[in-house]
Amino acid sequence: EIVLTQSPGILSSSPGERATLSCRASQSLPRSFLAWYQQKPGQAPRLLVYGTSARATGTPDRFSGSGSETEFTLTISRLEPEDFASVFYCQQYRSSFTFGGGTKVEF
Amino acid sequence: QIQLRESGPRLVKPSETLSVTCTVSGGSFIDYYWSWIRLSPGKGLEWIGFVHSTGNTFYSPSFESRVTISVDTSKKEFSLNLHSVTAADTAVYYCARHEGRSSWEPFDIWGLGTMVTVSP
Repeated sequence: EIVLTQSPGILSSSPGERATLSCRASQSLPRSFLAWYQQKPGQAPRLLVYGTSARATGTPDRFSGSGSETEFTLTISRLEPEDFASVFYCQQYRSSFTFGGGTKVEF
Repeated sequence: QIQLRESGPRLVKPSETLSVTCTVSGGSFIDYYWSWIRLSPGKGLEWIGFVHSTGNTFYSPSFESRVTISVDTSKKEFSLNLHSVTAADTAVYYCARHEGRSSWEPFDIWGLGTMVTVSP
């Protein structure tokens, strides 16, 4: 099983700041098989990025994904108020499906 | 606009079977893969298994021994049955659609989720 480890667990920041979220895979992962989701309180997860760097429909361009092999990153160029209290998850879909433990962004 | 909605009992007794159904509306059901995922405080997001509209299934090894996922294309529904539940199966259960027409795709449409508690 491919294990995904996300860091930090909690990211404390402020509106307008840049945020960098990390996802580390336990084995090398083709770029095509890594996605990011955002989950707001009381809502279902929403697909943000797939294939490491492709934005899903409706994803604002302040979100960008990058990385390769075992190191992947979601960057939020400028945090907006609606990004806070969200939990961001990475997911691999190369070998079954597994999720990272999540990064919560808080003010 | 396609929507998914989970339904089923909110409370299940230990050792019994947890059953949740997902109803798809406003979009195509045929030729897609459909998954069940759950979210619990202890284990985060866990993928349980998927079903294709043809009825083909694939389960997570973690659940394989006690899960059944079935499909009813006439009703645009698919269902999860998780057998021999314990308190550790208490979670929010989500259904979701695979993006595209392949099994190994991210999940682009999700239901709102249903909270299921396992308790005597």
